[in-house]
Amino acid sequence: SQTIHQWPATLVQPVGSPLSLECTVEGTSNPNLYWYRQAAGRGLQLLFYSVGIGQISSEVPQNLSASRPQDRQFILSSKKLLLSDSGFYLCAWSVGGAGRRGYTFGSGTRLTVV
Amino acid sequence: QKEVEQNSGPLSVPEGAIASLNCTYSDRGSQSFFWYRQYSGKSPELIMSIYSNGDKEDGRFTAQLNKASQYVSLLIRDSQPSDSATYLCAVNSGGYQKVTFGTGTKLQVIP
Repeated sequence: SQTIHQWPATLVQPVGSPLSLECTVEGTSNPNLYWYRQAAGRGLQLLFYSVGIGQISSEVPQNLSASRPQDRQFILSSKKLLLSDSGFYLCAWSVGGAGRRGYTFGSGTRLTVV
Repeated sequence: QKEVEQNSGPLSVPEGAIASLNCTYSDRGSQSFFWYRQYSGKSPELIMSIYSNGDKEDGRFTAQLNKASQYVSLLIRDSQPSDSATYLCAVNSGGYQKVTFGTGTKLQVIP
């Protein structure tokens, strides 16, 4: 069966510090991978998605970047965090596109920038 | 204009009643429609998908789609306190690579 791992579960980081969140998927090949952010009391905002190794689509210009070094690994990074980067970060995967079968989400990382 | 709209709630229903959650969308080209359930502090979980006009039933859940009216709904029969969560409507947009989420409706089932 397919599983998605996301870590860490919670993170408190000072303003200006770097960020690296990692997501891995098991049990499937060539998944579409996604990073979402959910700010407190807000909806889900798509940040990046990837349809293959090294292929990254950015949805919102911001202080973040994403990379996909391996087929089932997706990394979200920042060189310098801002207060506005606080939120609940969710990795998700789908096969054949999320618009066909929906997403499976990881358990999320709650990031607080102080 | 928001692409996917939902009433934020909270929607309060007594235990055992039918909960009705509604969603409208703006893209007439959308073909895939999803409902996710999100418990407080947790990640969303896909509970229903619907692709053609009409009703789709899965246990206590029924999804309804009306493309002419650009309207999607989720009915939860025999609501239980464990159904208390935020329900997110999602619609594919610009192809099948991604979907757009509504902001969600918070459902409270009162014992």
